[in-house]
Amino acid sequence: DAMVIQNPRYQVTQFGKPVTLSCSQTLNHNVMYWYQQKSSQAPKLLFHYYDKDFNNEADTPDNFQSRRPNTSFCFLDIRSPGLGDAAMYLCATSREQGDIRGYTFGSGTRLTVV
Amino acid sequence: AQRVTQPEKLLSVFKGAPVELKCNYSYSGSPELFWYVQYSRQRLQLLLRHISRESIKGFTADLNKGETSFHLKKPFAQEEDSAMYYCALSGYNQGGKLIFGQGTELSVKP
Repeated sequence: DAMVIQNPRYQVTQFGKPVTLSCSQTLNHNVMYWYQQKSSQAPKLLFHYYDKDFNNEADTPDNFQSRRPNTSFCFLDIRSPGLGDAAMYLCATSREQGDIRGYTFGSGTRLTVV
Repeated sequence: AQRVTQPEKLLSVFKGAPVELKCNYSYSGSPELFWYVQYSRQRLQLLLRHISRESIKGFTADLNKGETSFHLKKPFAQEEDSAMYYCALSGYNQGGKLIFGQGTELSVKP
């Protein structure tokens, strides 16, 4: 089935130790998004790629970066995780920006910082 | 500023009772409105879109521009409807990005 796959499902990292979360898609969608969702809060957009064009949200900390080496893969890098970065990280795709067909989401990666 | 508000964190009803999950938005222009659902241990998935005027799993939602609302309704709740429901908005003003409300947990009791 065409879908959005996030690995790993659970990630534990040490305070300050760089960590990378990965997302892959078989939908051939142009746009890939990374959302952060903390407990009992709305998913919050961190950044997105339209093809190779990177779009950062104004309030996304510099500690968070992303790479999209090809259409299928997108990575979220957290350079120095703090305790406040513990959250569920959701990857999503859409065929185009503002696609009225909506987004397709991965299952998420739950990040724990110890 | 563009914003989506879901005033209820938790809504608990009995099986067979009507359900209404509230969603209000603020947006200058014509937004696209969506409802997403997340069942236990599953991924977030699209439930319905206002533009489609569709009924999915018995749920409907009508966009009321005068009241800036997009409430989700179902006449008879089922236990399998228990899930987290997110209202979301997309529009030209923010480059088509999806903005979510905080979600309402629906619990349908037998």
